[in-house]
Amino acid sequence: EVQLVESGGGLVQPGGSLRLSCAASGFTFSSYWMHWVRQAPGKGLVWVSRINSDGSSTSYADSVKGRFTISRDNAKNTLYLQMNSLRAEDTAVYYCARGLYSSGRDPFDPWGQGTLVTVSS
Amino acid sequence: SYVLTQPPSVSVAPGKTARITCGGNNIGSKSVHWYQQKPGQAPVLVIYYDSDRPSGIPERFSGSNSGNTATLTISRVEAGDEADYYCQVWDSSSDHAVFGGGTQLTVL
Repeated sequence: EVQLVESGGGLVQPGGSLRLSCAASGFTFSSYWMHWVRQAPGKGLVWVSRINSDGSSTSYADSVKGRFTISRDNAKNTLYLQMNSLRAEDTAVYYCARGLYSSGRDPFDPWGQGTLVTVSS
Repeated sequence: SYVLTQPPSVSVAPGKTARITCGGNNIGSKSVHWYQQKPGQAPVLVIYYDSDRPSGIPERFSGSNSGNTATLTISRVEAGDEADYYCQVWDSSSDHAVFGGGTQLTVL
């Protein structure tokens, strides 16, 4: 069974840092692009970042560029999101998602269950 | 940046047909994907590349895309279809994914 399990969320003060992880299983992790998508409480979905299969290419939404870093460890089947200089508006559930096929523009399927990040003093 | 516009809410009686639209400039030239999200759950892909349906998604779900509007159609609506639905495309100019604001489907 294809599965994505996020962890690492929690409460952090403004200006702080947090690293999210997404453990993948049930598929050849090193063959797929991976993404992070977030959802603020009561709001819609917002794409955050993506990384290609070998980790050599990344891209970010303007709202997080320069503050967040996406990475992956294919030996550990794990995706990461390092979040620095966190702001209140970064408060959201963060989902990791796999690209359906092998392109960076494929739809997202499947998704993890999400991990909540709360930025507050 | 590219903008996708969805109606905030759509209501439909059980057994009827629900149509959820997603508007965007010349969206017909892009590939549109649709996600279903039930309360407290992660999104699920229900339609991809305009009209393809993942395995396990009922045939009642279908999609179309032309001109400035993409449409998700749900036939013979059931109570279990009540959820938020999001459309999504890739903006080629920014090479970023873009989501619509979401539509809450209510089954009366």
